[in-house]
Amino acid sequence: DTGVSQNPRHKITKRGQNVTFRCDPISEHNRLYWYRQTLGQGPEFLTYFQNEAQLEKSRLLSDRFSAERPKGSFSTLEIQRTEQGDSAMYLCASSLGLAGGIDEQFFGPGTRLTVL
Amino acid sequence: DAKTTQPNSMESNEEEPVHLPCNHSTISGTDYIHWYRQLPSQGPEYVIHGLTSNVNNRMASLAIAEDRKSSTLILHRATLRDAAVYYCILRDIGTASKLTFGTGTRLQVTL
Repeated sequence: DTGVSQNPRHKITKRGQNVTFRCDPISEHNRLYWYRQTLGQGPEFLTYFQNEAQLEKSRLLSDRFSAERPKGSFSTLEIQRTEQGDSAMYLCASSLGLAGGIDEQFFGPGTRLTVL
Repeated sequence: DAKTTQPNSMESNEEEPVHLPCNHSTISGTDYIHWYRQLPSQGPEYVIHGLTSNVNNRMASLAIAEDRKSSTLILHRATLRDAAVYYCILRDIGTASKLTFGTGTRLQVTL
């Protein structure tokens, strides 16, 4: 299977704990995106990388959130001192980075975070 | 980003065509119209995109109004597997970054 993979698929944690999620994009894709989705809402953009460079961060990405993409391959999203409001599905997507507004994004299955 | 408006939900019978509307009255000349869908418990997946002309692919057709202020995603024969949330998204021709999702249209398909 050469699609986008995310691990873990589910994470339950207690408030105040740190969590880290991993995303493995499609191998030839330059761009990698993180989105967050809460129940009944569409996904909301968090951040994206062009290779290893983080090019845009949403205002939703508070100081407790950090994302990395070392060597331009897999990416990790870490949430420090989790809060109950962080409970959501965290989606990763990757794309070739084509210009012209035609760049198709391929999404992973997501990591569902529950903060107790 | 220019805004899109979609009905919250629609229903269809299996094997019948479905027309999912999207209004985007503030669309700019450099915005592509994209459609993604999200099946239950899955990440979104690309369906189709267009700029000015109508488009067809193996999944669906996209009909774009002449003034580009609205578009319609057409599923020619809905199946139970097409039950999903469908998102209409505008993307500027000069940028290839984030997708801005609304709340989409939840399509129910019944036997």
